[in-house]
Amino acid sequence: DADVTQTPRNRITKTGKRIMLECSQTKGHDRMYWYRQDPGLGLRLIYYSFDVKDINKGEISDGYSVSRQAQAKFSLSLESAIPNQTALYFCATSDSGRSSYNEQFFGPGTRLTVL
Amino acid sequence: GQQLNQSPQSMFIQEGEDVSMNCTSSSIFNTWLWYKQDPGEGPVLLIALYKAGELTSNGRLTAQFGITRKDSFLNISASIPSDVGIYFCAGQPRGSNYKLTFGKGTLLTVNP
Repeated sequence: DADVTQTPRNRITKTGKRIMLECSQTKGHDRMYWYRQDPGLGLRLIYYSFDVKDINKGEISDGYSVSRQAQAKFSLSLESAIPNQTALYFCATSDSGRSSYNEQFFGPGTRLTVL
Repeated sequence: GQQLNQSPQSMFIQEGEDVSMNCTSSSIFNTWLWYKQDPGEGPVLLIALYKAGELTSNGRLTAQFGITRKDSFLNISASIPSDVGIYFCAGQPRGSNYKLTFGKGTLLTVNP
């Protein structure tokens, strides 16, 4: 019944490996976001997408890429993982068609560890 | 750029006590949101505020959008053990239609 799902929930990988984190939503929202959370730094925006053909860099996009395969799916890739990309990663969605378009709804997160 | 100062960083209280936390900024925000994050989970939206001066409640939670548009507070009344978690404020800066700036969170511990 989860509206925003993320896979995997946990991942341990090695430096240099390519990693993909996936996000799916059943909320029917058009906007999707990827954030990372680090202790003491709060949530920081990596990429955001207003629709399938509109993808934009956030404040910390270096080392990451994204793909919006469909309105309901937004994946985040680390082409060559490095240890300082160890963090909690969250996907979020919002609906631009409503007056409450600023409200973002988060998935359960992926804990990524890069050794 | 816009930054949010959230305080306190952590609170240790007894069950039944009231709690207050706030976020302040030197910049103006058009929207204030309050989230709660449980361990191992994503942030869950608690309250959204859209107008300066607005006071909104959600059960035992009450939040207000500051008149200056540069601050917001969240109060929790009669705390219970399940209130434990990290509370985040988030603001939508004036001039943006998507960006949220997040505070660094308040860790709340409730002793039964």
